[in-house]
Order: sequence, then C-alpha cells, then structure tokens
Amino acid sequence: DTGVSQNPRHKITKRGQNVTFRCDPISEHNRLYWYRQTLGQGPEFLTYFQNEAQLEKSRLLSDRFSAERPKGSFSTLEIQRTEQGDSAMYLCASSGTGDESPLHFGNGTRLTVT
Amino acid sequence: AQSVTQLDSHVSVSEGTPVLLRCNYSSSYSPSLFWYVQHPNKGLQLLLKYTSAATLVKGINGFEAEFKKSETSFHLTKPSAHMSDAAEYFCVVRYNTNAGKSTFGDGTTLTVKP
Repeated sequence: DTGVSQNPRHKITKRGQNVTFRCDPISEHNRLYWYRQTLGQGPEFLTYFQNEAQLEKSRLLSDRFSAERPKGSFSTLEIQRTEQGDSAMYLCASSGTGDESPLHFGNGTRLTVT
Repeated sequence: AQSVTQLDSHVSVSEGTPVLLRCNYSSSYSPSLFWYVQHPNKGLQLLLKYTSAATLVKGINGFEAEFKKSETSFHLTKPSAHMSDAAEYFCVVRYNTNAGKSTFGDGTTLTVKP
C-alpha cells in the first residue's frame, strides 16, 4: 500500500511531556498538510509544506507546536509541554501541486494527554 | 476568509430512500469543492470533487453532487441509501488563490435505518 502513513496510531502521554508524530506522504506528492480533529468537529488546518518549505501556519499552531519536512519527504509534528487541550486526532494528508488535486489522508495519530 | 457550511449536523434516512446532504460555501473567488466520507475508526476518503469542469459531478459508491454558483451550494445526493453509507460526511472548499489550505465543514452524520 502506497498511501499516507502515520506513526504512531495512538499516543498517551502525561501533561507537560513532549511528543513527536511522523507522517510519510505518497511519494510523488510534494504538498503535505497537518490537520487536527476533535470529537464532533471537522478537521482544522494546522500547517502545510510544499516540498521542504513550510508555506502556511494556522493561528491554531501555538509556539509549542513545530512541524518540519527537512528533505521534502516525510514530516514530523512535535508538541512541547503537552496540555490536556491538545488531546485530539492529528491527521496528515498529501497532494500533488495542482489546485484541483485532492488531499489523501492517513489514518491519523490519536493523542491523549492525561 | 474562505468558509463552508454544512446545513445539517445529522441526517437520518431509511435504506433505499434518497440521501441529500447540504453544503454552502462563501462566494469569494473560484472554489474547488470536495466531499469526503469518514467511517468510524477509518481515515477520510474522497467521494468526489468539483474543479470548474462539469457542474454535475459523479463520485464513488453512487454519490453525486451539483455545483450551483448562483446558490453557492454543492449538495451531495444519492438516489438510494445503503446501510454501508452510514458515516460522517465532510464538505471541503479550497480557493485557487490559497491553494495550500482546504477548509472543512463541521460534518454531517448520516444514519441509515433498516
């Protein structure tokens, strides 16, 4: 299967700890996106990359959040000093460059902060 | 700012009857529009997309949607519901002037009664 892969599937951490998630996009896609989804809500945009360049960040992305895509392939999302409000499903998606290219989503990483 | 509104948070239909899930978008610029489906504990799957070609778009599993510029709507329909259609459905808008960001509606939960 050459879809979008996210690891880990689940992460439980204690408040104040740092966590890092990984996303491997579809190999020929040069755009990569991070979204966050809480129960009963649609996914909320966090940030996106075109190749290795981070082109947009949402105001939702506080200073505790950082994302990287160092070689334009896989990406990591790190949350420092986690808070209970960070508990959510973190979704990664990739797409081609065309404006009409749909997003292809991974299965997400579910974060629980205790 | 781009936005999308799903007019119904829950829709319940009987198996074999038509499905209508309503979506309106804000009218700035020329949008690309998408419908995604999310089954419980599954990833988001693309149902169909509108990208300024034909206004009636056919997707997977018998779903289709019609782009109506005058009404700024992109409603999702299916002639006959199947039990397996029960899921969460998201309408998504992307404007070509900001191609990196796709905005999701809050979702519509479709229940199919036997």
